[in-house]
Amino acid sequence: NAGVMQNPRHLVRRRGQEARLRCSPMKGHSHVYWYRQLPEEGLKFMVYLQKENIIDESGMPKERFSAEFPKEGPSILRIQQVVRGDSAAYFCASSQNWGGTEQETQYFGPGTRLLVL
Amino acid sequence: DAKTTQPNSMESNEEEPVHLPCNHSTISGTDYIHWYRQLPSQGPEYVIHGLTSNVNNRMASLAIAEDRKSSTLILHRATLRDAAVYYCILPGAGSYQLTFGKGTKLSVIP
Repeated sequence: NAGVMQNPRHLVRRRGQEARLRCSPMKGHSHVYWYRQLPEEGLKFMVYLQKENIIDESGMPKERFSAEFPKEGPSILRIQQVVRGDSAAYFCASSQNWGGTEQETQYFGPGTRLLVL
Repeated sequence: DAKTTQPNSMESNEEEPVHLPCNHSTISGTDYIHWYRQLPSQGPEYVIHGLTSNVNNRMASLAIAEDRKSSTLILHRATLRDAAVYYCILPGAGSYQLTFGKGTKLSVIP
């Protein structure tokens, strides 16, 4: 059973360009989460999606960032007009479901390391 | 989320047991205790979680204090591949947001 897959693993963009990060959840998982890890910091929650729905985007910057999880295909985190401060590792996680009082385990991908020049 | 406190770093000799502590004095009755680890240049990896009773799996054991204000992750025989940052996380009942603090950086000495 393949784990969470992310691509590309490394992405270099110049200021003002767009960055598209892809995440394929584990087989059978319908919940996707995106986290960002700035240099020398812990991971910070960005957004939680289910198929075709954004459930919680409270951790996403209000501008330039968007996320989607279409009915078919991977989840996409899109960053428009990138700036140097967007340089970070972006991790995607997935879980099988969500409910009750026991939090479902989140399985993380290897991350995409974005460098903005 | 309940706040957790972990030592910044720990060292262990290879093939010896390691006890990684975590204090969470503001834990609520429904908070599960989760442990993840992050190896260099990789994504976080789930290790173990528990609520009240001690838990064991193939990776580690989790010992939870009777008052639940602290817990200890136990690696029974540290290997070089266990060198990582270990995070103790209490997401909160019904919460899916994992809050990663600074964690404990474990170094394993050959």
